[in-house]
Amino acid sequence: DTEVTQTPKHLVMGMTNKKSLKCEQHMGHRAMYWYKQKAKKPPELMFVYSYEKLSINESVPSRFSPECPNSSLLNLHLHALQPEDSALYLCASSLAPIDRMNTEAFFGQGTRLTVV
Amino acid sequence: KQEVTQIPAALSVPEGENLVLNCSFTDSAIYNLQWFRQDPGKGLTSLLLIQSSQREQTSGRLNASLDKSSGRSTLYIAASQPGDSATYLCAVTFRLNTGRRALTFGSGTRLQVQP
Repeated sequence: DTEVTQTPKHLVMGMTNKKSLKCEQHMGHRAMYWYKQKAKKPPELMFVYSYEKLSINESVPSRFSPECPNSSLLNLHLHALQPEDSALYLCASSLAPIDRMNTEAFFGQGTRLTVV
Repeated sequence: KQEVTQIPAALSVPEGENLVLNCSFTDSAIYNLQWFRQDPGKGLTSLLLIQSSQREQTSGRLNASLDKSSGRSTLYIAASQPGDSATYLCAVTFRLNTGRRALTFGSGTRLQVQP
């Protein structure tokens, strides 16, 4: 099983809403990542969790709040987003953090987020 | 700042043609390079991973090569099929300014294989 599962697939939210994106993997991977991808652009790294601890925050605004409840789950809590935050949000995992050893990253299918 | 560039940005070929996608990177001190496929509005599917110590990897009709000294990788697709139509992304693991490593993506090559 090399699957990273993201829910929901699509999400429309207002600027005053609070919502969460979820990501799950059962491959025993100990590193999980959030990426943001705008249309026709490459994915950009947002956060890295290494052994359930936040290890990289790429200067992401505080309206995005990541959480890693256990080694299989990764959440991204959203609050007071702006229309320019509309994008495809991708979750990825790897056996070990990329900065520990050379490992392959596996991506989920993404959540298409629209902020209205 | 490390950068990854992919050429061409878009490519249209007839079915059955062999083709080469190019990826170049500015810093030769990479840890590994990964090729992904992305269908419109979908996530990324890992195709091949090349470690920095390797020169090439093969999977079915796909062959990826790595030349660290020149900062280049190529993805060769043999006997292309309409189902190969997608965007192909090259991603390189660099060391960030913070000292940590992370995947940095190129902008991708959008491939259309005509039946």
